[in-house]
Amino acid sequence: AAGVIQSPRHLIKEKRETATLKCYPIPRHDTVYWYQQGPGQDPQFLISFYEKMQSDKGSIPDRFSAQQFSDYHSELNMSSLELGDSALYFCASSLTSATVNTEAFFGQGTRLTVV
Amino acid sequence: AQSVSQHNHHVILSEAASLELGCNYSYGGTVNLFWYVQYPGQHLQLLLKYFSGDPLVKGIKGFEAEFIKSKFSFNLRKPSVQWSDTAEYFCAVNVGYSSASKIIFGSGTRLSIRP
Repeated sequence: AAGVIQSPRHLIKEKRETATLKCYPIPRHDTVYWYQQGPGQDPQFLISFYEKMQSDKGSIPDRFSAQQFSDYHSELNMSSLELGDSALYFCASSLTSATVNTEAFFGQGTRLTVV
Repeated sequence: AQSVSQHNHHVILSEAASLELGCNYSYGGTVNLFWYVQYPGQHLQLLLKYFSGDPLVKGIKGFEAEFIKSKFSFNLRKPSVQWSDTAEYFCAVNVGYSSASKIIFGSGTRLSIRP
């Protein structure tokens, strides 16, 4: 079965550079979530999209932005990178409807290292 | 705002011991509850979920969890652990239907199994 695909799997950037992370949800899923997981930390919610519109926002820095495109894939853009941005970034997708919930399926993550 | 508490930060057991990991959430309305597992260096995988119905849910790899509404709890259990259960376990909750509400994670419990 198709899963959530994230690219790249690993990324090394220097301070003050920009990074773009991509997420391809499971086909027919309409909701995408982005999470940041620092070393030894629990996943922290960044932002979510439902039907290409931002639906919820968490602790996402102003330096970060995200969007969901017409084909439902999503991109997380990170500018002016800081050492503290080094983390595992997870994307998840789910199908949201008015009558039933489904669980979120997580991608394998992008490990971002800022040097 | 909803939150999730996991009582044990690190649990160490011997193989064949029984496991119970505590999870409490704070929200008075309809909730969807999950346990995710994260093996070292890997992404989050769903162990089990509760949406409605039988409060005792069975998941993969012999895990089960019991939803006790009066106690706002969703504890994870396994009668006999194996060395391969060594991982980080996250309890998670999201709220209600229709809106693409975010999933809130607990701080995680690291499970170490002695061979």
